Amino acid sequence: SQTIHQWPATLVQPVGSPLSLECTVEGTSNPNLYWYRQAAGRGLQLLFYSVGIGQISSEVPQNLSASRPQDRQFILSSKKLLLSDSGFYLCARGRERVYNEQFFGPGTRLTVL
Amino acid sequence: AQSVAQPEDQVNVAEGNPLTVKCTYSVSGNPYLFWYVQYPNRGLQFLLKYITGDNLVKGSYGFEAEFNKSQTSFHLKKPSALVSDSALYFCAVRDATSGNTGKLIFGQGTTLQVKP
Repeated sequence: SQTIHQWPATLVQPVGSPLSLECTVEGTSNPNLYWYRQAAGRGLQLLFYSVGIGQISSEVPQNLSASRPQDRQFILSSKKLLLSDSGFYLCARGRERVYNEQFFGPGTRLTVL
Repeated sequence: AQSVAQPEDQVNVAEGNPLTVKCTYSVSGNPYLFWYVQYPNRGLQFLLKYITGDNLVKGSYGFEAEFNKSQTSFHLKKPSALVSDSALYFCAVRDATSGNTGKLIFGQGTTLQVKP
């Protein structure tokens, strides 16, 4: 199974509030995990990726952080949200042993007001 | 620099007609190429991939893609479009410099509109 769970599905938060988005995946152990943001229903921006527990790589400097406390859990966080953090956040996993193919979760729609 | 280009923001076709969504790439070494589809407010769904072998790759929902090395292209095609094919389509290529991280480089997406 390549099932990926994301919650919440929708979130409306005020500027300056904290954020925690959670992603859990099913399937074999030690998958590569990814966080993307999609703005205005268009292109994908890779935010973070992880090749193992506690290993996080950041693609772009910004107001967000990520953590991987368990093998199949990937969390996206912020201490203080900005208006520009609004968007559609997608979690993805690499296919086991064939890392190049990615499978995506259903996404979280974040609106910062 | 590695990149993926989808030159058309939107493609309009009539139902029953063939469709093509264009993608060109620039990557070092042999390319690993992918197509994904996204319906509104949903995650991306994998359609097909080219790793090696036959240049014509068949995927889900009747889609296929043709790998052309000399033109560095990987166009998505379908012989007969359905209204339900209307969605946002992304082409992607493996980041050849990323080792085992599995990172992909995505194009900006092409909106396919199929009219009845």
